[in-house]
Amino acid sequence: QKEVEQNSGPLSVPEGAIASLNCTYSDRVSQSFFWYRQYSGKSPELIMSIYSNGDKEDGRFTAQLNKASQYVSLLIRDSQPSDSATYLCAVNYAGKSTFGDGTTLTVKP
Amino acid sequence: DAGVIQSPRHEVTEMGQEVTLRCKPISGHDYLFWYRQTMMRGLELLIYFNNNVPIDDSGMPEDRFSAKMPNASFSTLKIQPSEPRDSAVYFCASSSQVYNSPLHFGNGTRLTVT
Repeated sequence: QKEVEQNSGPLSVPEGAIASLNCTYSDRVSQSFFWYRQYSGKSPELIMSIYSNGDKEDGRFTAQLNKASQYVSLLIRDSQPSDSATYLCAVNYAGKSTFGDGTTLTVKP
Repeated sequence: DAGVIQSPRHEVTEMGQEVTLRCKPISGHDYLFWYRQTMMRGLELLIYFNNNVPIDDSGMPEDRFSAKMPNASFSTLKIQPSEPRDSAVYFCASSSQVYNSPLHFGNGTRLTVT
């Protein structure tokens, strides 16, 4: 079992819809959680970080964390074609981040 | 801030040659990471440093790979000798001294070994 697993893609949604990205992790002592966006040919860039159970909202993005279920998700509301990218879930313990394989999202106009 | 700076952006070399990748972290960041990204294996951590000291090199594939951080503003990842299976995008990333802070990635070096 991989340490960090993301829902298999690709994921395709129409413009304006909600995109839901999911991630599970195996290490119960993981301390912090991040979502990165990576455009094709570019480097990953941070879009959300979450450290405690519950929801965290930033503009059109909402991250949700449930440590008991070892589950973290990212919701993108009012999806735009510019959101089309690969989204990487990262789980951090003791300063070291482990990444999932990513979910590729396509938002169709 | 200039961000994490990596060089070169692209490197094409022949099997058996030595390859050196370079990285300048964000000033003030105490953690530096080297990651490798391939389609097959995704983004995998090779090694990371804290205050210029290697902390975990368990991801380094084999002895052909070595990394150094002689000072707070410079790190190198060396592959000697290089092999075609080393072809990948190599990212350097840094993070601040705040525990569990996010990573700031450089633009990466795309390595092709023929």
